[in-house]
Amino acid sequence: GESVGLHLPTLSVQEGDNSIINCAYSNSASDYFIWYKQESGKGPQFIIDIRSNMDKRQGQRVTVLLNKTVKHLSLQIAATQPGDSAVYFCAENAGGTSYGKLTFGQGTILTVHP
Amino acid sequence: DVKVTQSSRYLVKRTGEKVFLECVQDMDHENMFWYRQDPGLGLRLIYFSYDVKMKEKGDIPEGYSVSREKKERFSLILESASTNQTSMYLCASSLLSSRTNEKLFFGSGTQLSVL
Repeated sequence: GESVGLHLPTLSVQEGDNSIINCAYSNSASDYFIWYKQESGKGPQFIIDIRSNMDKRQGQRVTVLLNKTVKHLSLQIAATQPGDSAVYFCAENAGGTSYGKLTFGQGTILTVHP
Repeated sequence: DVKVTQSSRYLVKRTGEKVFLECVQDMDHENMFWYRQDPGLGLRLIYFSYDVKMKEKGDIPEGYSVSREKKERFSLILESASTNQTSMYLCASSLLSSRTNEKLFFGSGTQLSVL
């Protein structure tokens, strides 16, 4: 079946740098995408989402970019802080009568060095 | 804020035991989900429910069943636990699947070890 995948399993950055986490998806029917952050010992927490009729959406220090042509999603974190260290997951919803089911990627570990 | 509560943070069971994982949400959400999370595999959907007494298989339902007798509670049942079911189990909920409310809210997870 189709699945969501990540280019890089780990990313290390210095505090204050910008971080970019990438995600590839293959289901052309997906129309909703979402990023989650998971800290150690906690469940995934919502960061930001985007629909397929948009190519960019900004939140507080985070931006999600969607390139439907190449089926690519990215999460940009500005001025990365040690508290941003976590595993980041992208997920997609194929729409239709999926009842909100999300298919998740494998995750990227972000480590921020002080 | 939405709260999804999983009854146990850590659980140790023996092979062959019947195991119940409980999940409660307090925001009157219609949809509830059970995922398992394994290193390198991400989150995989086991079962979900879009209404009381309704259930649908996810991607990996084998060896599991679920129960949703009340809207706020969704239980995952391992009929006869096996070592390959050692995993982190995550419960989630979401509002009725309208096009504006699709994000899932997750509990903190239950780390199950089957010996």
